[in-house]
Amino acid sequence: EPEVTQTPSHQVTQMGQEVILRCVPISNHLYFYWYRQILGQKVEFLVSFYNNEISEKSEIFDDQFSVERPDGSNFTLKIRSTKLEDSAMYFCASSAESSYNSPLHFGNGTRLTVT
Amino acid sequence: QQQVKQSPQSLIVQKGGISIINCAYENTAFDYFPWYQQFPGKGPALLIAIRPDVSEKKEGRFTISFNKSAKQFSLHIMDSQPGDSATYFCAAEETSGSRLTFGEGTQLTVNP
Repeated sequence: EPEVTQTPSHQVTQMGQEVILRCVPISNHLYFYWYRQILGQKVEFLVSFYNNEISEKSEIFDDQFSVERPDGSNFTLKIRSTKLEDSAMYFCASSAESSYNSPLHFGNGTRLTVT
Repeated sequence: QQQVKQSPQSLIVQKGGISIINCAYENTAFDYFPWYQQFPGKGPALLIAIRPDVSEKKEGRFTISFNKSAKQFSLHIMDSQPGDSATYFCAAEETSGSRLTFGEGTQLTVNP
């Protein structure tokens, strides 16, 4: 069964550094998402992306965050200057249609630790 | 108003028992309600979902009950098995949106 793959599985960075989290969505999916989960808390929406532009973003997704689909297969999340509170599990997801009409397929996440 | 409240936070059930997890919402624009199952070290995976045109949906041992007037929905797991031990998240979405709003999660443990 096709999967969403995320790399790296664990990223440790120092406060103020830039990080790029990478995702390869399922190949025929058109909608892409980033969610995050702070340890022991609920899964929170960050951003959705369709047709090479952001469809929707949450209040968490401020100017420090950006997303890009640099080629036909990768989908990246960049955090420009990491803060301690950015430490979380970041999940990439994709869907064939909008999340309202088709299920989200999540990757196994990248655990980001900011020290 | 965008929140989805989930309870209980944790639940322990004996094998063969019924697990019941409840969620409530305020936003009347929500009209899609999925449940996700998450095992340790994995991303959430869709388990079952319902739209408000029906009051109940059943898939195997999993049933969603939906009460539109009370703005509540619940997941029932019949004949619970140790392999069902996981964290369960309810979620909700508006027709016009592209974001899922998740509940806080319920950690289910099914004892053998």
